[in-house]
Amino acid sequence: EDQVTQSPEALRLQEGESSSLNCSYTVSGLRGLFWYRQDPGKGPEFLFTLYSAGEEKEKERLKATLTKKESFLHITAPKPEDSATYLCAVAFTGGSYIPTFGRGTSLIVHP
Amino acid sequence: GAVVSQHPSWVICKSGTSVKIECRSLDFQATTMFWYRQFPKQSLMLMATSNEGSKATYEQGVEKDKFLINHASLTLSTLTVTSAHPEDSSFYICSILPGRAVNEQFFGPGTRLTVL
Repeated sequence: EDQVTQSPEALRLQEGESSSLNCSYTVSGLRGLFWYRQDPGKGPEFLFTLYSAGEEKEKERLKATLTKKESFLHITAPKPEDSATYLCAVAFTGGSYIPTFGRGTSLIVHP
Repeated sequence: GAVVSQHPSWVICKSGTSVKIECRSLDFQATTMFWYRQFPKQSLMLMATSNEGSKATYEQGVEKDKFLINHASLTLSTLTVTSAHPEDSSFYICSILPGRAVNEQFFGPGTRLTVL
């Protein structure tokens, strides 16, 4: 059973159409939750770290939020250059300090 | 954020040959580096943790004799895929943990390996 689940697997939006990506985790004891952006053929680029429920982080059109069991990455008025795969990773207090990655959400923003 | 480089960015080799991939931390001294493998439309799978001056720690199911890791300095780790076969074709990515925040990783640009 996956400890970190991302949904949807793929998402197509029109430019300006806001939406949210979800990352849910099943293990208790969160050490930290991380969001990354990955462009095709490139390594992941760090976006945000969230540590506790209620925490929010923002960067340009992206806003990450965290509850006790899931995180959302909100994309406001997306542009075509926001097209990428967004990866979520979670580090748990009871396990390895190395985060576990979800499968990612592939986002395509059409002009 | 921290800057990590990898070399080469892509490599094509014949089956049975060995390939070396370098990972460099350009602005941090990294006592620990990580090697990941990513297949198309899949997430990152941790292969091993590279420790400066000591043996690497491999994840379950990863053959340590096939994927040789050497972490000779605080800025360089190498991954050698020995006797490569087509099923080893993948995207290999390294990362570092600079230690400025809990578990915040910075990744290299990746190396695309194609074994013919």
